[in-house]
Amino acid sequence: DSGVTQTPKHLITATGQRVTLRCSPRSGDLSVYWYQQSLDQGLQFLIQYYNGEERAKGNILERFSAQQFPDLHSELNLSSLELGDSALYFCASSPGTGGLRTEAFFGQGTRLTVV
Amino acid sequence: GQNIDQPTEMTATEGAIVQINCTYQTSGFNGLFWYQQHAGEAPTFLSYNVLDGLEEKGRFSSFLSRSKGYSYLLLKELQMKDSASYLCAVRVSNDYKLSFGAGTTVTVRA
Repeated sequence: DSGVTQTPKHLITATGQRVTLRCSPRSGDLSVYWYQQSLDQGLQFLIQYYNGEERAKGNILERFSAQQFPDLHSELNLSSLELGDSALYFCASSPGTGGLRTEAFFGQGTRLTVV
Repeated sequence: GQNIDQPTEMTATEGAIVQINCTYQTSGFNGLFWYQQHAGEAPTFLSYNVLDGLEEKGRFSSFLSRSKGYSYLLLKELQMKDSASYLCAVRVSNDYKLSFGAGTTVTVRA
């Protein structure tokens, strides 16, 4: 158990809908990262938050947004869902913004299926 | 963009050794990570290299050559439970934004 909690574990929804994925980082970790992993692609970095503020942005679609709350949990909002958004969404956390030898710990992921 | 290449699949026998190569061309370099991922599960951290050379950790070792943009992960005394995908990831800046390779699926046969 990495200490990173993601809910829900599975989500099935229809095209056009909106969903929210939730992540609770390890106790004390200030950084939260969101990654998308689809069958035909590797892990793709979406976005990073550090202590409530957006720190880095990757290939995140405009239909997707995220935020980190004062208690440091994070939510990833996916809207106007398309079939191609079906994927595993991972959250990871680390103590700071990086630094040497700082590893990130991944949650178990949310498997999103858009039908 | 970042370019990280690793073989798609490898097969080896229980008890043997397998070496997974990773080459990278990235806009910066601040460390290379190897993660193990079993199907449908979270990636788990295996190793980290930021300086040239070999890092050994039990049955797993990782090597880095920054001048060649090259790393490998060596898995010794393979066990059935080592069947998984192995992900090479490069950190290009001082945050934890990792660029991942597509992963190498290792199948260990009895």
